[in-house]
Amino acid sequence: NAGVTQTPKFQVLKTGQSMTLQCAQDMNHEYMSWYRQDPGMGLRLIHYSVGAGITDQGEVPNGYNVSRSTTEDFPLRLLSAAPSQTSVYFCASSYSGLAGAVYEQYFGPGTRLTVT
Amino acid sequence: DAKTTQPNSMESNEEEPVHLPCNHSTISGTDYIHWYRQLPSQGPEYVIHGLTSNVNNRMASLAIAEDRKSSTLILHRATLRDAAVYYCILRDLNFGNEKLTFGTGTRLTIIP
Repeated sequence: NAGVTQTPKFQVLKTGQSMTLQCAQDMNHEYMSWYRQDPGMGLRLIHYSVGAGITDQGEVPNGYNVSRSTTEDFPLRLLSAAPSQTSVYFCASSYSGLAGAVYEQYFGPGTRLTVT
Repeated sequence: DAKTTQPNSMESNEEEPVHLPCNHSTISGTDYIHWYRQLPSQGPEYVIHGLTSNVNNRMASLAIAEDRKSSTLILHRATLRDAAVYYCILRDLNFGNEKLTFGTGTRLTIIP
């Protein structure tokens, strides 16, 4: 298994540009999520999905859109990039079961985004 | 959400045990205690989790206080590869969701 893959690894955008960060997993996980990590800080949840066709907002959703048309893919779209969105973005996935079940989350290697 | 408190940083000598503490005084009865770590320039990786009893796996041990208000991640014999930021996270499974709330964690430095 390739696990969780993210593309691109690095990206530089100008303010106002849009782009899509790609995330894919080959483990048949129902749950997928996007985090951002700013320097010296922990990860903050942007959006998440508990299955194809179902998405919800996390802690910091503004300026980002997601959709989940397949189990494998969960792209993150930046609508109009701003310097405040300069960060490292991580995608994660896990099984999603009944309440009370515990599954570990698998994280991708990250995309380092700079907005000038 | 219940919060966790961890020291900002710790140092340990290589090949010695490391005890990483975590306080979670407002933990609820349905909160699991999870530990993840983040190696430099990588995404976080799962280490261990527990509810009430102490837990062991190939990576580490988790010791949970009897009142569950604190826990300790134990690396039995630290190597240079264990240098990372360690996150202690509480997750309420009553709602059947997998959201993780990360704090700033403990940065562990291993001294050769």
